[in-house]
Amino acid sequence: AQKVTQAQTEISVVEKEDVTLDCVYETRDTTYYLFWYKQPPSGELVFLIRRNSFDEQNEISGRYSWNFQKSTSSFNFTITASQVVDSAVYFCALSVLNTGGFKTIFGAGTRLFVKA
Amino acid sequence: DAGVTQSPTHLIKTRGQQVTLRCSPKSGHDTVSWYQQALGQGPQFIFQYYEEEERQRGNFPDRFSGHQFPNYSSELNVNALLLGDSALYLCASRGFTGELFFGEGSRLTVL
Repeated sequence: AQKVTQAQTEISVVEKEDVTLDCVYETRDTTYYLFWYKQPPSGELVFLIRRNSFDEQNEISGRYSWNFQKSTSSFNFTITASQVVDSAVYFCALSVLNTGGFKTIFGAGTRLFVKA
Repeated sequence: DAGVTQSPTHLIKTRGQQVTLRCSPKSGHDTVSWYQQALGQGPQFIFQYYEEEERQRGNFPDRFSGHQFPNYSSELNVNALLLGDSALYLCASRGFTGELFFGEGSRLTVL
């Protein structure tokens, strides 16, 4: 069975602080995909990044960076110099292939408050 | 290029009633998944449709059923509504590299 754990329920920071959102996953599959999604107050989840299980390179996109470590089954997300617009709920997700195709499961999410 | 569209956006039902939610996937996408998101929780996988068949199912009772049409659009039906069915129902279509594109959801309130 697969599982995604986001231990941080809520995080509050002041604008311009750096913040890291933690994600730990469980799967027995050797091939899998990891994702981060952002859910602003409007409700629509927005895709941020995808990583496959064979690519442990860290990635940076502007103020966003991701640290994937298979040894600890973690896929953490860091926002550098946070801004008020970053306030949202962030979800980590795991996708594995089974007989019916890809199935994606989500963690419980981390609500980020960025105060001005 | 239209994204994923869902209807209705909000609806109120009473216990025991039935509801149908609709979803049109992003253009060119043929796989549709439905998720239930209770307040303060992460999306929970209900089921996934591809080629008009249910391919995968999460841990939801048979009261939850669906359909996919030849144009890839999909419906989610919930029978005998319970108070606990109150949630945001999200539809997602799968991109070519596995990412999901979500609609804004249908917020169902069961009284």
